[in-house]
Amino acid sequence: NAGVTQTPKFRVLKTGQSMTLLCAQDMNHEYMYWYRQDPGMGLRLIHYSVGEGTTAKGEVPDGYNVSRLKKQNFLLGLESAAPSQTSVYFCASSSRADNEQFFGPGTRLTVL
Amino acid sequence: GESVGLHLPTLSVQEGDNSIINCAYSNSASDYFIWYKQESGKGPQFIIDIRSNMDKRQGQRVTVLLNKTVKHLSLQIAATQPGDSAVYFCAENISYGGSQGNLIFGKGTKLSVKP
Repeated sequence: NAGVTQTPKFRVLKTGQSMTLLCAQDMNHEYMYWYRQDPGMGLRLIHYSVGEGTTAKGEVPDGYNVSRLKKQNFLLGLESAAPSQTSVYFCASSSRADNEQFFGPGTRLTVL
Repeated sequence: GESVGLHLPTLSVQEGDNSIINCAYSNSASDYFIWYKQESGKGPQFIIDIRSNMDKRQGQRVTVLLNKTVKHLSLQIAATQPGDSAVYFCAENISYGGSQGNLIFGKGTKLSVKP
């Protein structure tokens, strides 16, 4: 089992560009999450999904969109990147809401 | 602000000593707590969890204590090793009658182990 994988690992964007981060999990988990982590901060929830075809907003959803077309994949999109979105992005999945979340290795995004 | 916080941002211990990392939470409805370890450049890794119907849970070299009266959580690491050096996060979860609850993370404590 690969667990949770994320692509790409690194990316540099210019302000206004768009991109999509891909998260994949092979544990048949219902729940998937996107977080961002900034220096000296904990993880903040951007969006999450409780099952295929569903998405919901987390703590810091502005500027991001997500899609969960397949159970194993959770996509995070930035339509018009801003320097404030420079961060490390982590994807996670879990079998239940009140259960351990498994994290991917992260994507380091820099917006110039 | 965040409902989960940590008493100390950094902790330095001698190899072989025990480490105690503390965490305070503010929501008395929180019913599930997790400790994660994050090494530099990696994603958070699950260490141990505890539900609100317990006050202590032990794993391999780690123990989590939950004091619901004062809304305090601690992680104890026995015989701390250099490989334990990392940032440790506590997180709380509130489940609303079985529907989706989200983890709320604290800012983390950096543990440094001196050889």
